[in-house]
Amino acid sequence: SQELEQSPQSLIVQEGKNLTINCTSSKTLYGLYWYKQKYGEGLIFLMMLQKGGEEKSHEKITAKLDEKKQQSSLHITASQPSHAGIYLCGADLGDYKLSFGAGTTVTVRA
Amino acid sequence: NAGVTQTPKFQVLKTGQSMTLQCAQDMNHEYMSWYRQDPGMGLRLIHYSVGAGITDQGEVPNGYNVSRSTTEDFPLRLLSAAPSQTSVYFCASRAPFGGPSGELFFGEGSRLTVL
Repeated sequence: SQELEQSPQSLIVQEGKNLTINCTSSKTLYGLYWYKQKYGEGLIFLMMLQKGGEEKSHEKITAKLDEKKQQSSLHITASQPSHAGIYLCGADLGDYKLSFGAGTTVTVRA
Repeated sequence: NAGVTQTPKFQVLKTGQSMTLQCAQDMNHEYMSWYRQDPGMGLRLIHYSVGAGITDQGEVPNGYNVSRSTTEDFPLRLLSAAPSQTSVYFCASRAPFGGPSGELFFGEGSRLTVL
């Protein structure tokens, strides 16, 4: 079992529409990472959140960490074909291990 | 800037063979780790190290050994490969503990097939 639960497992979005991916843990998240991966390729760092209530944005992608530091969301505004891929959340759960969720596969349809 | 370097990128083994996946980083990172990625399962932690001479098990350590004799290198050894170890392996490192955690840097991955 994985300590980070990502939802949904996969989603299909029409180009131009928004989408949200969630990452949840029963433990405190001391450092929360979001990565993107194109199929068969390496991992691209998107952003890292550390403080409760923190929010970061890069281009059309916004990530938030809730006040309790147990849930994070990744929001993409006006999705484009370049946003297609697998999104992975990873976290430092306070035991020196950096664990990852199972990933969310995003498909963007024209 | 080399960052995290993994070798080999591709490898085919027969069941029972042994091999070592190499990982090196040039950022003086204390934390290094190995993950395997299988379809639908994200990244699963195999072993990790918080400094030279210190290693510990992750979520799926069986069948793998690691050692950390230097800060730069963190090799992953498969002593007797099994088909269940067919996967893509990623090595990662990050800045020292005690300060800002910082980005986790990944290698490009090593695709291993065990026949």
